[in-house]
Amino acid sequence: QQQVKQSPQSLIVQKGGISIINCAYENTAFDYFPWYQQFPGKGPALLIAIRPDVSEKKEGRFTISFNKSAKQFSLHIMDSQPGDSATYFCAARGGATNKLIFGTGTLLAVQP
Amino acid sequence: NAGVTQTPKFRVLKTGQSMTLLCAQDMNHEYMYWYRQDPGMGLRLIHYSVGEGTTAKGEVPDGYNVSRLKKQNFLLGLESAAPSQTSVYFCASSDSALPAQHFGDGTRLSIL
Repeated sequence: QQQVKQSPQSLIVQKGGISIINCAYENTAFDYFPWYQQFPGKGPALLIAIRPDVSEKKEGRFTISFNKSAKQFSLHIMDSQPGDSATYFCAARGGATNKLIFGTGTLLAVQP
Repeated sequence: NAGVTQTPKFRVLKTGQSMTLLCAQDMNHEYMYWYRQDPGMGLRLIHYSVGEGTTAKGEVPDGYNVSRLKKQNFLLGLESAAPSQTSVYFCASSDSALPAQHFGDGTRLSIL
């Protein structure tokens, strides 16, 4: 019940295309859903986040879609660029200590 | 503003040796976390702290100990290193009022 399942494991997208990464969770007590971006040799960096009372959040080319009834959320990267090539992690927070449960990650490669 | 700083960046140990990883944050955050990152497994929480002098177990605490003697520092110790502890270790911190976690750039640890 504490897991966050992420798919796909890897993704290849052409420059200018749309990248879509999906996550699913079981614990309805989760109350915050961030996405992190990680470049090789660096730590994860917060990209965008959403709370379950909102169905969509957009920041520039990045959008989170949230489906509370299905317990799923996804990251959409519009107009994908080679600089977006990185590993993306979804996560979910449960509890007041800000502990996060992470998905297993998606390695995105955007081809020029 | 350095954010979260981890030392060392790389280390090679022999089985049975001990070592301490240091995490320092300059954002005055209450909460701090230690994760390990392994291929295909995402980030898994080892231990965390909600304030100076407090620590708690995460998802994979066995073989590790932690201490938080000062608010800005969070130490992760391996008393008797094992090859299974070969991993990349990340430290993170967050404000108690905001859920976003800020990560360091990791310590790459190999145990032979």
